Amino acid sequence: EPEVTQTPSHQVTQMGQEVILRCVPISNHLYFYWYRQILGQKVEFLVSFYNNEISEKSEIFDDQFSVERPDGSNFTLKIRSTKLEDSAMYFCASSEARTSTREQYFGPGTRLTVT
Amino acid sequence: AQSVTQPDIHITVSEGASLELRCNYSYGATPYLFWYVQSPGQGLQLLLKYFSGDTLVQGIKGFEAEFKRSQSSFNLRKPSVHWSDAAEYFCAVDELGSSASKIIFGSGTRLSIRP
Repeated sequence: EPEVTQTPSHQVTQMGQEVILRCVPISNHLYFYWYRQILGQKVEFLVSFYNNEISEKSEIFDDQFSVERPDGSNFTLKIRSTKLEDSAMYFCASSEARTSTREQYFGPGTRLTVT
Repeated sequence: AQSVTQPDIHITVSEGASLELRCNYSYGATPYLFWYVQSPGQGLQLLLKYFSGDTLVQGIKGFEAEFKRSQSSFNLRKPSVHWSDAAEYFCAVDELGSSASKIIFGSGTRLSIRP
């Protein structure tokens, strides 16, 4: 069964450093998403991406964040200058074109620790 | 704004007992509803989903959920829990954005199983 993959599984970085989290969505999917889960809290929507541009973003997704689909398979989330409060689990998801099911498939997540 | 409420933060159930996890949503139209499960340190696994039709939906691992429009509820049930069901359970609604979906998660219910 096709699945969303994410690398690395755990990333440790120092405050102020740039990080790039990588995701490989399911191959025939056209919509891509990033979500964040701070430890002990609920999962929060960050951004959706379609046709090489951002469809929607939350208030969390400020100028420090950016997303990119650099090639036909990868989808990345970049945090320009990490802060302590960016420590969280980051989930990538993908979905097919706008169908009646609108089901998103989630990756296993990348745990980001900012020290 | 759409919201999802899970009133129970933590529930403990004896192995073999029945389970019901509560979920209420706030949404103007017919929602797309989901239940996800997250085991410690793991990603999000879809248990079941409701889009339309039969209001009682069956999912994986013996779970089911019932959509009740009059009560704005989508409670998750299982007739007999197993120790492996211990996890965090998230109810979620798809907020139908203009071009892409956006999943809004509840705060989660942690399920513990008493031997």
